[in-house]
Amino acid sequence: AQSVTQLGSHVSVSEGALVLLRCNYSSSVPPYLFWYVQYPNQGLQLLLKYTTGATLVKGINGFEAEFKKSETSFHLTKPSAHMSDAAEYFCAVTLFSGGYNKLIFGAGTRLAVHP
Amino acid sequence: EPEVTQTPSHQVTQMGQEVILRCVPISNHLYFYWYRQILGQKVEFLVSFYNNEISEKSEIFDDQFSVERPDGSNFTLKIRSTKLEDSAMYFCASSGGVEAPSSTDTQYFGPGTRLTVL
Repeated sequence: AQSVTQLGSHVSVSEGALVLLRCNYSSSVPPYLFWYVQYPNQGLQLLLKYTTGATLVKGINGFEAEFKKSETSFHLTKPSAHMSDAAEYFCAVTLFSGGYNKLIFGAGTRLAVHP
Repeated sequence: EPEVTQTPSHQVTQMGQEVILRCVPISNHLYFYWYRQILGQKVEFLVSFYNNEISEKSEIFDDQFSVERPDGSNFTLKIRSTKLEDSAMYFCASSGGVEAPSSTDTQYFGPGTRLTVL
C-alpha cells in the first residue's frame, strides 16, 4: 500500500537560508508524487509534481524536488527562503485505481521563516 | 484563474444535526473529491465521484455520509447525524477536464470548510 512520511513536523529557517523539507514514500508501483502548500486560511495549492521523465522537478515560487527511487525520497528544496514561504507543506502520492485518483498525504511540515 | 470554492468557510453545529457542505468545482472538471483533516492530523481521502456516482470511498465514509451533484455545478457532502469526531476541516477538490483520467492529473483544492461539532 502507498504511504508517505514527512520527517519533521516543524522546520524553522532564517530568511535567505536553504529550505529542505523531507518526504519519503512507500509504493508497490512506480509512484506519482506531489508537493502541496497550504497558506493560512487557504486551500491546498500544487507546488510541483513528479510523474515520469526528469527526476528533478521545478515548481512555483522557486521550489524544486528530486525524485530518488533508490532512496524512495522526494525532498523539497528552495535555495533561499523568503518570509512569504511560511506555510504548511504536504507531500502526497497518488493511487490510481480503476481509473480514479486519490491522494495519500503525509502529515505535513510547517515551515517558519525568521528574519 | 479558475478555482474551487467552498461554502461556508466555518460551520458550527450540534451533535446529531445534519450538515451540508457545499463546493463549486472548476467548471470543466469531471472528477470530484472530498478530503478531511482533523486538527493536527493528516489530510485523509473520503470519497471520489465521477459521472454522478461514487467511484471510491474510504472506510471513514460510512452511511452517515453522502455526496451529490444536484445541479451540474455544485458538489455537496452531507453528514446526516454529526458526531463530535466529525469536527475537522473538509476540503473539496476537482480534476480532469477530459474523459480519460490519469494519475498525473492535478487535483485543485478549495479553501476548506471548518466543521465544529459541539
